[in-house]
Amino acid sequence: EVLLVESGGGLVQPGGSLRLSCVASGFTFSSYWMSWVRQAPGKGLEWVANIKLDGSEKYYVDSVEGRFTISRDNAKNSLYLQMNSLRAEDTAVYYCARDTYHSFDSWGQGTLVTVSS
Amino acid sequence: QSALTQPRSVSGSPGQSVTISCTGTSSDVGGYNSVSWYQQHPGKAPKLMIYDVNKRPSGVPDRFSGSKSGNTASLTISGLQAEDEADYYCCSYAGSYTWVFGGGTKLTVL
Repeated sequence: EVLLVESGGGLVQPGGSLRLSCVASGFTFSSYWMSWVRQAPGKGLEWVANIKLDGSEKYYVDSVEGRFTISRDNAKNSLYLQMNSLRAEDTAVYYCARDTYHSFDSWGQGTLVTVSS
Repeated sequence: QSALTQPRSVSGSPGQSVTISCTGTSSDVGGYNSVSWYQQHPGKAPKLMIYDVNKRPSGVPDRFSGSKSGNTASLTISGLQAEDEADYYCCSYAGSYTWVFGGGTKLTVL
């Protein structure tokens, strides 16, 4: 069974930083692209970033380019999202998702990030 | 990277069929066959229901079907059941390894 478990969310002040983690199990992590998708309270889904199998390529939505960094450690079956210069509009539940080129076929339960003073 | 356009809400009675539309551009929906649909119940993670426009993952009932014409994709749910009441999101590949979601549609089963 594919399992994705996120952690690292919490309350942070505007301008602050936070690092999210996602531990994967039940599949060969190094064989899949991975993505972060977020959902602001009461709002829709927004794709945030993805990363290639070996971490050599990374892509971002324009609104987080230059502030967020996606990374992975295949030895630890782990995906990360380093979030800097956080803004109120970054407040959301952040999901990690397995990216199959065609869709996001497995999702974690999400971790809540709240940016507020 | 503009969000795809979905109706805010749709509704239907048990046993009926409903269709949710998802309109994009030639740079996303119209340009690729990588359109997917997700079901999300309150407080839960999204669940993949359709991928590659009209393919169903294992375990998804065949009451769920997808199609695409030009820049608009559609999700049809036939034989509506109470448990189908949820939010539905479309998603399309948008080129350069990026993805775009729709704003979401709330399905109410009357």
